[in-house]
Amino acid sequence: EVQLVESGGGLVQPGGSLRLSCAASGFTFSSYWMDWVRQAPGKGLEWVANIKQDGSEKYFVDSVKGRFTISRDNAKNSLYLQMDSLRVEDTAVYYCARDRGAHTYDFWGQGTLVTVSS
Amino acid sequence: QSALTQPPSASGSPGQSVAISCTGTSSDVGGYDYVSWYQQHPGKAPKLMIYDVNKRPSGVPDRFSGSKSGNTASLTVSGLQAEDGADYYCGSYAGSNNVVFGGGTKLTVL
Repeated sequence: EVQLVESGGGLVQPGGSLRLSCAASGFTFSSYWMDWVRQAPGKGLEWVANIKQDGSEKYFVDSVKGRFTISRDNAKNSLYLQMDSLRVEDTAVYYCARDRGAHTYDFWGQGTLVTVSS
Repeated sequence: QSALTQPPSASGSPGQSVAISCTGTSSDVGGYDYVSWYQQHPGKAPKLMIYDVNKRPSGVPDRFSGSKSGNTASLTVSGLQAEDGADYYCGSYAGSNNVVFGGGTKLTVL
């Protein structure tokens, strides 16, 4: 059974940092692009970043470029999102999602809430 | 890219059919056969219901179907059931490793 379990969310002040983790199981993690998708309270979905199977390619939505870093550890079946210089508008539930291709997400984690507030 | 356009709400009685539209441009919906639909119940993660315009993942009832014409994609739910009440989001590949989502449609089963 495919499982994605996020952790690391919480309350942080503007300008602060947070590192999200996603533990994957039930599939060959190293065979898939992996993505982070977020959802602000009461709002729709927004793609944040993704990373190729071997970590050699990484892409970000413009609003987080230069502030967020995505990485993975295939030996640990884990995906990470390092978020620096956080802004109030980064407040959202962050989902880890498996990308089956062309940004189609066939499995999602339960999400972790990031709240940026003073 | 701008978000795809979905109606904010849709409704139908049990047993009826309802269609939800998703309008984009030739740079996303119209340009690729990579439209997907997600169902989201309150407080839960999204669930993939349709991918590649009209394909159903294993386990998704065949009451759910997808189609596309030009720059508009549609999700049709036939034989509505109470548990179909949820938010539905469309997504489309938009080239250059980009994806764009719709604003979501709240489906109410009357």
